[in-house]
Amino acid sequence: DAGVTQSPTHLIKTRGQQVTLRCSPKSGHDTVSWYQQALGQGPQFIFQYYEEEERQRGNFPDRFSGHQFPNYSSELNVNALLLGDSALYLCASSGQGWDTFGSGTRLTVV
Amino acid sequence: AQSVTQPDIHITVSEGASLELRCNYSYGATPYLFWYVQSPGQGLQLLLKYFSGDTLVQGIKGFEAEFKRSQSSFNLRKPSVHWSDAAEYFCAVGALNTGTASKLTFGTGTRLQVTL
Repeated sequence: DAGVTQSPTHLIKTRGQQVTLRCSPKSGHDTVSWYQQALGQGPQFIFQYYEEEERQRGNFPDRFSGHQFPNYSSELNVNALLLGDSALYLCASSGQGWDTFGSGTRLTVV
Repeated sequence: AQSVTQPDIHITVSEGASLELRCNYSYGATPYLFWYVQSPGQGLQLLLKYFSGDTLVQGIKGFEAEFKRSQSSFNLRKPSVHWSDAAEYFCAVGALNTGTASKLTFGTGTRLQVTL
């Protein structure tokens, strides 16, 4: 049984560009959450999707947006990238219970 | 607002020695508490969680944690550390929202170094 899978694993983008990160939840999970983990910090909650709608949102600007598809997979989009967006982006999925995390996408903005 | 404090940024212990990582939380209701471990460049692995009941919870890899409501603490312990335990440890607090996990709030982490 596959866990949470994220793609790509690493990504380098230029300041001002846009990026899309992808996440497939663990089988049987219908809720997807995204977290940003800057170097040396704990993960920060970005938002959570359930039934294809954003259910909760953390303290992140509108440049961060997401989407959930009918198969429960999800995308995280970041527009107008800043150097400060460089981080590990973690996807977590859950069902009736608690989060299972993927290995993350390492985004570097240059 | 919920928050988590991990007062120790970096801890070094000798292999075979005991370990205690501190975690203090702030939460308006009964907290759901977690400890995660992260190896370099990897995602988060759940060590253990506390929802209710017995305040001493057992986790994977020989870890345990004790919930103390009066001290707002949820410290992680291991009686004998192995070199493979070297990693970053995160304490987190969360809630359930209509039966599904709500957002987790993490501490800033404690980096554990194990000397041989």
